[in-house]
Amino acid sequence: AQSVAQPEDQVNVAEGNPLTVKCTYSVSGNPYLFWYVQYPNRGLQFLLKYITGDNLVKGSYGFEAEFNKSQTSFHLKKPSALVSDSALYFCAVRGSGGYQKVTFGTGTKLQVIP
Amino acid sequence: KAGVTQTPRYLIKTRGQQVTLSCSPISGHRSVSWYQQTPGQGLQFLFEYFSETQRNKGNFPGRFSGRQFSNSRSEMNVSTLELGDSALYLCASSPPSGGSTDTQYFGPGTRLTVL
Repeated sequence: AQSVAQPEDQVNVAEGNPLTVKCTYSVSGNPYLFWYVQYPNRGLQFLLKYITGDNLVKGSYGFEAEFNKSQTSFHLKKPSALVSDSALYFCAVRGSGGYQKVTFGTGTKLQVIP
Repeated sequence: KAGVTQTPRYLIKTRGQQVTLSCSPISGHRSVSWYQQTPGQGLQFLFEYFSETQRNKGNFPGRFSGRQFSNSRSEMNVSTLELGDSALYLCASSPPSGGSTDTQYFGPGTRLTVL
């Protein structure tokens, strides 16, 4: 069975500092990995995804994520955090064998402190 | 293009009742997935439909059911509501290819409260 772990319920970072939101996964076969962001009282918005190729994926709003196959990780990063980045972030994985469901992590609340 | 729409946005029911939630995907999208979101549990996959066929199903009891119509609109139904069914129910649609690499586009959700 596939799974996603987001080990931190909350991450606090000062505005202007770099941020990292961690994600590790378990899946059979090659993984398809996604990051989504959720603002209060809103649905999820797509940030970026890794399918194949370059391990560093760039996405919306200046976010990027690094795929590390040996560590089965897909951490979300941003060089300089903004207060407006404060939100709930979800990592998700889907296996490449056949057509599998998407499994989401439990989410990490990012708080950017002015 | 209009985004994914879900109706109603808020719903209050009592235990034992049943409820039907509706989702209209982005025009042209044929895949619709449903998720239950609760604090601490994240998003739990309910089911996915593609071209009116259920393609995947999560680990929920039979009280949870869904369907998709020929215009790709989808409904989910929960019968005999329990207090634990209180959650935000999210619908997501995916582009016409229906492939595993497709991005999901989420609606704003339906907030269900069971009293």
